[in-house]
Amino acid sequence: GQQVMQIPQYQHVQEGEDFTTYCNSSTTLSNIQWYKQRPGGHPVFLIQLVKSGEVKKQKRLTFQFGEAKKNSSLHITATQTTDVGTYFCAGSLRDNYGQNFVFGPGTRLSVLP
Amino acid sequence: EADIYQTPRYLVIGTGKKITLECSQTMGHDKMYWYQQDPGMELHLIHYSYGVNSTEKGDLSSESTVSRIRTEHFPLTLESARPSHTSQYLCASSEFGGPTGELFFGEGSRLTVL
Repeated sequence: GQQVMQIPQYQHVQEGEDFTTYCNSSTTLSNIQWYKQRPGGHPVFLIQLVKSGEVKKQKRLTFQFGEAKKNSSLHITATQTTDVGTYFCAGSLRDNYGQNFVFGPGTRLSVLP
Repeated sequence: EADIYQTPRYLVIGTGKKITLECSQTMGHDKMYWYQQDPGMELHLIHYSYGVNSTEKGDLSSESTVSRIRTEHFPLTLESARPSHTSQYLCASSEFGGPTGELFFGEGSRLTVL
């Protein structure tokens, strides 16, 4: 079945440092989503990428979808303590009309002040 | 802010008890989901529904059952709880065919079976 992997599993950074998490799929994806889950909270949608090679930015966050649509990355510039949490990617084989998203195991980010 | 609610938020029960976790959404979403998540771990899809009278099993086998009699409700039931069922259960909904396919999650129901 479809597998979605993420690396690293954990990342500890000093406040102000950059952070990147990588998501890889065993199969070509139709689209990919990113979620953030704060400690003790629930996942919150960040973004969806659909096009090959797509790059989207949200303030300090940059999301990228690989050319082959089998990998994606999330980069945070100059981390802040509010960035603490687990970042999940979720990949779909088809569009959201008829396929569920498979979540990766997540990358847990700690930011030291 | 998403309008999807789960009750109870926390539940501690003994082995063999029947429990129902409630999930309601007021966004009129057709598609609803149940995910199981152990602390700090990934989310596993256990049930989903495309709409009223539609229920499907997810990727992770679960002894729980679900029903979808009304669009806004998607309750999950365990007939006989066991310690292995201890976990957090997250309900989510999405707009079928929506532009982003965004999943809106509830706050979760944290179940402990003694």
